[in-house]
Amino acid sequence: DTEVTQTPKHLVMGMTNKKSLKCEQHMGHRAMYWYKQKAKKPPELMFVYSYEKLSINESVPSRFSPECPNSSLLNLHLHALQPEDSALYLCASSQGGSARDNEKLFFGSGTQLSVL
Amino acid sequence: DQQVKQNSPSLSVQEGRISILNCDYTNSMFDYFLWYKKYPAEGPTFLISISSIKDKNEDGRFTVFLNKSAKHLSLHIVPSQPGDSAVYFCAASDSNAGGTSYGKLTFGQGTILTVHP
Repeated sequence: DTEVTQTPKHLVMGMTNKKSLKCEQHMGHRAMYWYKQKAKKPPELMFVYSYEKLSINESVPSRFSPECPNSSLLNLHLHALQPEDSALYLCASSQGGSARDNEKLFFGSGTQLSVL
Repeated sequence: DQQVKQNSPSLSVQEGRISILNCDYTNSMFDYFLWYKKYPAEGPTFLISISSIKDKNEDGRFTVFLNKSAKHLSLHIVPSQPGDSAVYFCAASDSNAGGTSYGKLTFGQGTILTVHP
């Protein structure tokens, strides 16, 4: 199984809503990531979890709250988002360990988020 | 400031011919480079990578060339096939940033490759 599964595939939410994005992998990877991709732009790193601990937060606003319940699951909790937060949110995982292993990311298909 | 640039938004190639996708970078600390391919409605898929200690890496129809002095890399696809039509992202990392890169990739904007039958 070389898949990273993200749910939901599409999400529309109002600025006062609370929602969560979910990500799951069963490849035994110990590093998991959230990337954000705006239309016609490259993916940008948001968070990195390594061995279930948050290791990198790229100065992401607190309205985005990541959670890693176990080594297979990664969530992104959303609250009081703004319309400019509308984007494709990509989850990825990698083996962990040496830096070179970490570069080979396996991406999910993403959640297309629209904030109204 | 965009540290990884793919200056060609799109490229159109005939089936069987060579596709050459280009990427330039500005950060001299980058020491590992990757190419990802992305189909619509799917996440990016790892294609091929190269370390800065090499100038060429080959995997089947795909070859990546690195010119460190010019801070330039290119992906060659020979022969190109219609199934290669996708968006291609160049990405780079600095393995010495904070002791480990932790998958902190900097991506280019992508190049849309269309291979015509």
